[in-house]
Amino acid sequence: AQSVTQLGSHVSVSEGALVLLRCNYSSSVPPYLFWYVQYPNQGLQLLLKYTSAATLVKGINGFEAEFKKSETSFHLTKPSAHMSDAAEYFCAVSGGTSYGKLTFGQGTILTVHP
Amino acid sequence: DTAVSQTPKYLVTQMGNDKSIKCEQNLGHDTMYWYKQDSKKFLKIMFSYNNKELIINETVPNRFSPKSPDKAHLNLHINSLELGDSAVYFCASSSSGAYLWEQFFGPGTRLTVL
Repeated sequence: AQSVTQLGSHVSVSEGALVLLRCNYSSSVPPYLFWYVQYPNQGLQLLLKYTSAATLVKGINGFEAEFKKSETSFHLTKPSAHMSDAAEYFCAVSGGTSYGKLTFGQGTILTVHP
Repeated sequence: DTAVSQTPKYLVTQMGNDKSIKCEQNLGHDTMYWYKQDSKKFLKIMFSYNNKELIINETVPNRFSPKSPDKAHLNLHINSLELGDSAVYFCASSSSGAYLWEQFFGPGTRLTVL
């Protein structure tokens, strides 16, 4: 069984500040990890994915995430927030023989203040 | 050149009615999924088809019946709609031959049951 916990349903930052969105996972098999972004009234867009090739993963729009097996974490960061980053972010896990089935976290709404 | 498309985008209907949502992908993928996003934005997988064969069937009321006429289409039929069925339904697709079964999502169908 797999599960994802996103700490903090709402995160608020100032424009230019560091963005940190937390994700912890549980998996009985080596996990594949993803971060998706959902803008208002839109579908989900893949930000980045963990492939096991490198623990630090770079994605689109300046986001990156670090896989830490010892902490079962896959936190998403961006050095400098932009107003256009305001959206909801979902962490997801899959793996094993799950046919790609994604198990999502509860989502974190990111608000960026001017 | 839309990759994953869904129709309709919005669906408003009365309790007890039967309705269908259609999904089409032009990515050449062989696996398609239906996810439900509830009012709290929680995303949960419902079904998945690989080459027209059902491979994931989560605990979903049997009022929901997916149908895949071919690899590029996955439709969702819902009988006897209930208030609790109100949600956003997302279709996604992936290739079983692709690393990580990376999924591409459609824009969603917002279903409102009155």
